[in-house]
Amino acid sequence: DGGITQSPKYLFRKEGQNVTLSCEQNLNHDAMYWYRQDPGQGLRLIYYSQIVNDFQKGDIAEGYSVSREKKESFPLTVTSAQKNPTAFYLCASTSGGWQNQPQHFGDGTRLSIL
Amino acid sequence: AQSVTQLGSHVSVSEGALVLLRCNYSSSVPPYLFWYVQYPNQGLQLLLKYTSAATLVKGINGFEAEFKKSETSFHLTKPSAHMSDAAEYFCAVSYGSARQLTFGSGTQLTVLP
Repeated sequence: DGGITQSPKYLFRKEGQNVTLSCEQNLNHDAMYWYRQDPGQGLRLIYYSQIVNDFQKGDIAEGYSVSREKKESFPLTVTSAQKNPTAFYLCASTSGGWQNQPQHFGDGTRLSIL
Repeated sequence: AQSVTQLGSHVSVSEGALVLLRCNYSSSVPPYLFWYVQYPNQGLQLLLKYTSAATLVKGINGFEAEFKKSETSFHLTKPSAHMSDAAEYFCAVSYGSARQLTFGSGTQLTVLP
């Protein structure tokens, strides 16, 4: 079945450490997104990518980095510069074309600080 | 700029009662609107989307939403709540060439027996 796979499901970060969250999709979608979810705040856009080797900052990109070397993969690195990384991270993708195409979501990675 | 407001962070209904979750949007262009549902520790699942083909949109699990341009609203309803409907619901509006989504802050629905 086609879908989006995020790994790991739970991740712990030590002080000063960078961690990378994986997102893989087999839907042949062009665009991919990373969101951060905090209780009571909905989802906020971190980064997005419309094509391979190109990506743009979202609303809360500081302290994060991404790459898009392959169409199916869009990993997110949470750097040590992100001072409050504890959150639920969701990856999404959508096909090209009309703006009413919905985004499809993975099951998320929950990041906590040790 | 696009924005979405969901009135009521928590809504409780009795099983079998009407579900009404409110969503108002702000958009400078014709909006593309979505409702998603999230169960604990899971991703978001699409309930329905507004495509401008019809103002009353039917989705999965018996949910529907009505687009009212004059009220800038896209409220979600279900005639009869089921225990399995207990979840968090998000309204979202799509914008930009990359179809980014702006989400409301969510409404946690509790269904009482």
